[in-house]
Amino acid sequence: DSGVTQTPKHLITATGQRVTLRCSPRSGDLSVYWYQQSLDQGLQFLIQYYNGEERAKGNILERFSAQQFPDLHSELNLSSLELGDSALYFCASSPSAGPNQPQHFGDGTRLSIL
Amino acid sequence: AQSVTQLDSHVSVSEGTPVLLRCNYSSSYSPSLFWYVQHPNKGLQLLLKYTSAATLVKGINGFEAEFKKSETSFHLTKPSAHMSDAAEYFCVVSARNQFYFGTGTSLTVIP
Repeated sequence: DSGVTQTPKHLITATGQRVTLRCSPRSGDLSVYWYQQSLDQGLQFLIQYYNGEERAKGNILERFSAQQFPDLHSELNLSSLELGDSALYFCASSPSAGPNQPQHFGDGTRLSIL
Repeated sequence: AQSVTQLDSHVSVSEGTPVLLRCNYSSSYSPSLFWYVQHPNKGLQLLLKYTSAATLVKGINGFEAEFKKSETSFHLTKPSAHMSDAAEYFCVVSARNQFYFGTGTSLTVIP
């Protein structure tokens, strides 16, 4: 058990809809990362938050947004959903923000767009 | 720019024989390098990391990796494969707050 909790585990919705994925980091970790894993794109880094502030951005679409709250949990919002957004979305956390920090991953949220 | 290439998409070994999973990287900066393992329907678990200290890095479950700057490689090895090692393995390069994952190597262990 990594200590990172993601909810929900599965999400099924339709094109054009909006969803929110939630992540609770390990106790004491200040940094949260979001990743998308799909068969065609592999694992892609989306965005990182550190102590409530955006720290780094990867291949995150404009239709996607994230935030980290004062209690350090994070949410990833996906809007105007398309079939290609179907993927496994992972959250990870680490104690601080540096690039050499090992990350601890949750078990992911599987998003299916019908 | 940073990138990482895992040279084999699938590796198959017999139980008790050595494992070699190959990773080459490219980075304009001094990178941190990681190996993660992913079991089916699970998140990634850190095996080991290199962050400019010793070039031979020991990780969990008997895995180790050697950082070779001249070859820009960070291959993962294990002396003796176990059935529980069957999983997907990812090499990751990190620099300047960006994280790049390889496409993964699927390891099959034959009894």
